[in-house]
Amino acid sequence: EIVLTQSPTTMAASPGEKITITCSASSSISSNYLHWYQQKPGFSPKLLIYRTSNLASGVPARFSGSGSGTSYSLTIGTMEAEDVATYYCQQGNSIPRTFGGGTKLEIK
Amino acid sequence: EVKLEESGGGLVQPGGSMKLSCAASGFTFSDAWMDWVRQSPEKGLEWVAEIRSKANNHATYYAESVKGRFTISRDDSKSSVYLQMNSLRAEDTGIYYCTPIYGSFAYWGQGTLVTVSA
Repeated sequence: EIVLTQSPTTMAASPGEKITITCSASSSISSNYLHWYQQKPGFSPKLLIYRTSNLASGVPARFSGSGSGTSYSLTIGTMEAEDVATYYCQQGNSIPRTFGGGTKLEIK
Repeated sequence: EVKLEESGGGLVQPGGSMKLSCAASGFTFSDAWMDWVRQSPEKGLEWVAEIRSKANNHATYYAESVKGRFTISRDDSKSSVYLQMNSLRAEDTGIYYCTPIYGSFAYWGQGTLVTVSA
């Protein structure tokens, strides 16, 4: 089983601040199978970035993703209030499909 | 527009059984691999099971934590996927989502809440 470890688990950012969340995999993953989700309080998860760096439909350009092998990251170029949410990475490289533990992002 | 409507959740005692259903629309269901993912405050998001398309012989896969207790199935004529859950435990409590997998989980329903408690 590929374990995904996200860092940090919680963080607070000021509006306009640049944010980076990391996702470390216990084994190498093809970049085609690493995805990010955003979950706002009271809502279902929503696909944010697929295949490491591709923005899902309707996702603002301030979001970006990068990485390879065992190290991946999600960046928010400039924090906005509407970005308050929990962010999860997920690998589809192998079964069982696994998720990171989540990063809760709050606003200062 | 893709729609996923989960149903069948509720309160069940430990050791009991429950069957979840998911009605899908807006995509070619028969070609889709369908998954169940659950979420709890304790464990976060957890993949539960997957059933592949007829072209892939409806192969099924399970998380170790539910293997032997849960069964995923589908009815392509009804564009529906099911999750039969037996020998339920407190740790199975959570919101259960069905989602088609196209590499990623691009579509999510509202989920159905399962509570396992005496």
